[in-house]
Amino acid sequence: AQTVTQSQPEMSVQEAETVTLSCTYDTSESDYYLFWYKQPPSRQMILVIRQEAYKQQNATENRFSVNFQKAAKSFSLKISDSQLGDAAMYFCAYRGSNYKLTFGKGTLLTVNP
Amino acid sequence: EAGVAQSPRYKIIEKRQSVAFWCNPISGHATLYWYQQILGQGPKLLIQFQNNGVVDDSQLPKDRFSAERLKGVDSTLKIQPAKLEDSAVYLCASSLGGLSVADTQYFGPGTRLTVL
Repeated sequence: AQTVTQSQPEMSVQEAETVTLSCTYDTSESDYYLFWYKQPPSRQMILVIRQEAYKQQNATENRFSVNFQKAAKSFSLKISDSQLGDAAMYFCAYRGSNYKLTFGKGTLLTVNP
Repeated sequence: EAGVAQSPRYKIIEKRQSVAFWCNPISGHATLYWYQQILGQGPKLLIQFQNNGVVDDSQLPKDRFSAERLKGVDSTLKIQPAKLEDSAVYLCASSLGGLSVADTQYFGPGTRLTVL
């Protein structure tokens, strides 16, 4: 079974600085997708960014980018120019051949003004 | 485009009572998911529908939980009778296709259930 591990329960960053959230996963599959979701206090899970395993180029969405290391099974999220609105719980998720989304336990990000 | 709608947002019940949650997916989305998110954890899939058929309910506690998706659109999730350990946020999500690794899920705001 696939597992997703987020080793940082909490992280903090100063406004306008850069922060990186870590995620590792375990799988024997070659075709899969990886996702980062953001869950603010309102509880709604919002898709931040996604990465296809077959693509070598790292995905980027505005201030959000990933560092996808397939051999190392690592999928970190970098947030540049952090804003107060980025404060939330961030979940890394994996989707493989069984089509299920498997989530990590999350990283709580605090942004300090 | 309207997002996934859920109601109620909050529910408090006594143990052994029954409760039902409602979800309206994004228009045109064939696949609907119910997740349970216990405090401090990531969401766990309870059941997945493709149109009005069940694709996966392997983690649904069928002795007390039930779900249906009438006419392939709205869905209800019911707990009967509730236990203390059912206290959690129940998230509904929908996606366009479903049986594709690339299919992206979009989530509703969730229902926070407290069982006393």
